[in-house]
Amino acid sequence: NAGVTQTPKFRVLKTGQSMTLLCAQDMNHEYMYWYRQDPGMGLRLIHYSVGEGTTAKGEVPDGYNVSRLKKQNFLLGLESAAPSQTSVYFCASSYQTEAFFGQGTRLTVV
Amino acid sequence: AQSVTQLDSQVPVFEEAPVELRCNYSSSVSVYLFWYVQYPNQGLQLLLKYLSGSTLVKGINGFEAEFNKSQTSFHLRKPSVHISDTAEYFCAVIRNTGGFKTIFGAGTRLFVKA
Repeated sequence: NAGVTQTPKFRVLKTGQSMTLLCAQDMNHEYMYWYRQDPGMGLRLIHYSVGEGTTAKGEVPDGYNVSRLKKQNFLLGLESAAPSQTSVYFCASSYQTEAFFGQGTRLTVV
Repeated sequence: AQSVTQLDSQVPVFEEAPVELRCNYSSSVSVYLFWYVQYPNQGLQLLLKYLSGSTLVKGINGFEAEFNKSQTSFHLRKPSVHISDTAEYFCAVIRNTGGFKTIFGAGTRLFVKA
């Protein structure tokens, strides 16, 4: 069982570059989420989706965009990366309560 | 608005000693409560959850937590820790009035010493 798969696992970007993080889940979950994890701050919700074709802002949405064109995929985009976006990004999916997490993407913006 | 406060950022403890990781939440509505564990360089995995019913919840790896509505707490306990329990632990809540966004605390790093 793959569960939740994130690609890539590591990435280094230069300030101003763009990139897309891909999250794929094979559990047929309706809900999907993108979080960022920073030391001492826990996980903060960036954007989330309650179903195919829908997205909504979380706690820290600025500088990020998302799309959910297919139920199994949830993409997180950075249009113009900034050093403040250096973080570990986690995707998660859930049916209702328990969330299942990917292994994370470590992004460094220099 | 709801929030989660983990009262200790780091908890060092000797192997085979008991441990308690503290979590308080604030919410104007009923919530579901969770503890997740994150081992180094990995994603989060569920330890245990409280949805309803018995306030004492048992999870994996010998952990348990007690929901205390009057004190709005959900503290995590283990009677005897192992070196392998060294990890970061996150308390989390979901409002059960619709929508299932999980809100996390800042995390508690448990360090078990030999």
